[in-house]
Amino acid sequence: AQSVTQLDSHVSVSEGTPVLLRCNYSSSYSPSLFWYVQHPNKGLQLLLKYTSAATLVKGINGFEAEFKKSETSFHLTKPSAHMSDAAEYFCVVSDRASKIIFGSGTRLSIRP
Amino acid sequence: EAGVAQSPRYKIIEKRQSVAFWCNPISGHATLYWYQQILGQGPKLLIQFQNNGVVDDSQLPKDRFSAERLKGVDSTLKIQPAKLEDSAVYLCASSSDPFKAFFGQGTRLTVV
Repeated sequence: AQSVTQLDSHVSVSEGTPVLLRCNYSSSYSPSLFWYVQHPNKGLQLLLKYTSAATLVKGINGFEAEFKKSETSFHLTKPSAHMSDAAEYFCVVSDRASKIIFGSGTRLSIRP
Repeated sequence: EAGVAQSPRYKIIEKRQSVAFWCNPISGHATLYWYQQILGQGPKLLIQFQNNGVVDDSQLPKDRFSAERLKGVDSTLKIQPAKLEDSAVYLCASSSDPFKAFFGQGTRLTVV
């Protein structure tokens, strides 16, 4: 069985400072991992994905994530937060059966 | 390309009433998912179709929820009778491979 745990329900950072959203996964197989963002009253948007190629994955809007098998982690980072980054972020795991499982989400707030 | 279409966008019903949601996936996508996203939580997979067959419905409350995907294209999700705890956003997604799922805008259901 596979699962994903987002370690923080809410993260607050100042504009211009780094962002770190933490995610740990559990999977019986080599997983595919994703980060999605959901802005208020908007649909889910794919930020980036890991599918067993390079362990450091670059996504849209300056976000990136590193797959660390030894730590079963897939943390999302951004060097400098922008006000428009305020949203809900979901870490997602998928297996060979095309099953897509979401984490509980991390709400990112940006302080001016 | 056209996205995943869902209707209605919003629905308010009284408890014990019935409601149905419709999803039209991206053309050619064999896999279709229905998720339930309760406020403050991550989306929970209700049912996954591969063409018109059910792959996974382990988290679908079958005493009140039903879903079908006739002809392997569009899909309907029904709740009968609705309970207060069914208030949520119902998301539909489709994919041609597990690494690239597309989500609709969702239907926000309020049960009063």
